[in-house]
Amino acid sequence: GAGVSQSPSNKVTEKGKDVELRCDPISGHTALYWYRQRLGQGLEFLIYFQGNSAPDKSGLPSDRFSAERTGESVSTLTIQRTQQEDSAVYLCASSLIGQANSPLHFGNGTRLTVT
Amino acid sequence: QQQVKQSPQSLIVQKGGIPIINCAYENTAFDYFPWYQQFPGKGPALLIAIRPDVSEKKEGRFTISFNKSAKQFSLHIMDSQPGDSATYFCAAGTGGFKTIFGAGTRLFVKA
Repeated sequence: GAGVSQSPSNKVTEKGKDVELRCDPISGHTALYWYRQRLGQGLEFLIYFQGNSAPDKSGLPSDRFSAERTGESVSTLTIQRTQQEDSAVYLCASSLIGQANSPLHFGNGTRLTVT
Repeated sequence: QQQVKQSPQSLIVQKGGIPIINCAYENTAFDYFPWYQQFPGKGPALLIAIRPDVSEKKEGRFTISFNKSAKQFSLHIMDSQPGDSATYFCAAGTGGFKTIFGAGTRLFVKA
């Protein structure tokens, strides 16, 4: 079946512009996660959605970052007034249930470059 | 206490060698330890996972060794192949949702 789909695959934007990244999770997966991966570094948790519950936003680095998800479908991550330090690969993952032992299925990410 | 420390940062081995990647954690509440494999331009994919009630788990050429008292676990890749060249992430989680990832190890297997 289809995996996690992310778009766009690459995004180049000017400092100060807003960007919106999209994630289509695997159908039936109730949990959805956003991670940030800076060049050569590990995965930094940003936000977690589980069904219709309030999202856990504890990893969002600043109020310029926000994310939405409608039910168990598509999610969008928005970064306002982008800064050069926002340059990274943004990875979306979904899992069948929201538990650490439920394998994460990652998309191929959106590579964001802020010039 | 939420960190997972991974080493080495990078590793080069000859084909057929046995690369070993090590991870250490502090939080004794962690009860699930997965390893993810990431190829360039792709998202990470689950490779193998272990729970702390076992000391070793093998899947094909990949083996996790787990030392609960030392709070350490490691990944061994037997008979490594050039196709194993990738970045490997260890991780740890609890019964909750949040998985904490190590910083990653970039492995290169020479042909």
